[in-house]
Amino acid sequence: GAGVSQSPSNKVTEKGKDVELRCDPISGHTALYWYRQSLGQGLEFLIYFQGNSAPDKSGLPSDRFSAERTGGSVSTLTIQRTQQEDSAVYLCASSHGQGWDEQYFGPGTRLTVT
Amino acid sequence: GENVEQHPSTLSVQEGDSAVIKCTYSDSASNYFPWYKQELGKRPQLIIDIRSNVGEKKDQRIAVTLNKTAKHFSLHITETQPEDSAVYFCAASIARGQFYFGTGTSLTVIP
Repeated sequence: GAGVSQSPSNKVTEKGKDVELRCDPISGHTALYWYRQSLGQGLEFLIYFQGNSAPDKSGLPSDRFSAERTGGSVSTLTIQRTQQEDSAVYLCASSHGQGWDEQYFGPGTRLTVT
Repeated sequence: GENVEQHPSTLSVQEGDSAVIKCTYSDSASNYFPWYKQELGKRPQLIIDIRSNVGEKKDQRIAVTLNKTAKHFSLHITETQPEDSAVYFCAASIARGQFYFGTGTSLTVIP
């Protein structure tokens, strides 16, 4: 079946602009994660959604970052007033949500802030 | 919060040799430890995982060991092949949804 998809694949924006990144998880997966991967770095946890529960936002680096998940499916990560240090690959993953199970990653969105 | 350290950052081995990647974690409450492989330009994929009630797990050429007392866990790849070349990430999870990843190890298998 279809895997996790993300759009856009690449985004170049000017400093100070807002951006929206989209994630379509695998159908039926209740858990959804957002990570940030900077060059040469690991995966930095940003936010976690599980079903209809309140999201775990503990990883968001600042109040410029927010995310929502509509109808328990598609998720949007919004970065307001982008800064150059926001440049990274943003990865979304989903899982069945039944305990600690495999996360299926999307292809990522490469964000470049100029 | 949890802090995961991963070593080495780069590793080169001859084809057929073994490769070992080590990770340490700080929070003794962590109880799930997955390993992900990310090939160049591709997305990370789970290759093996281990839970805290198990000391070792094997899957063909791949094995993971966990030492809860010392708070470290390792990935072992035997009989390495060129297609094993990738970046490998370890992670530790304290609670569902909270995953802390290492900074990755770039493994190169030389034919």
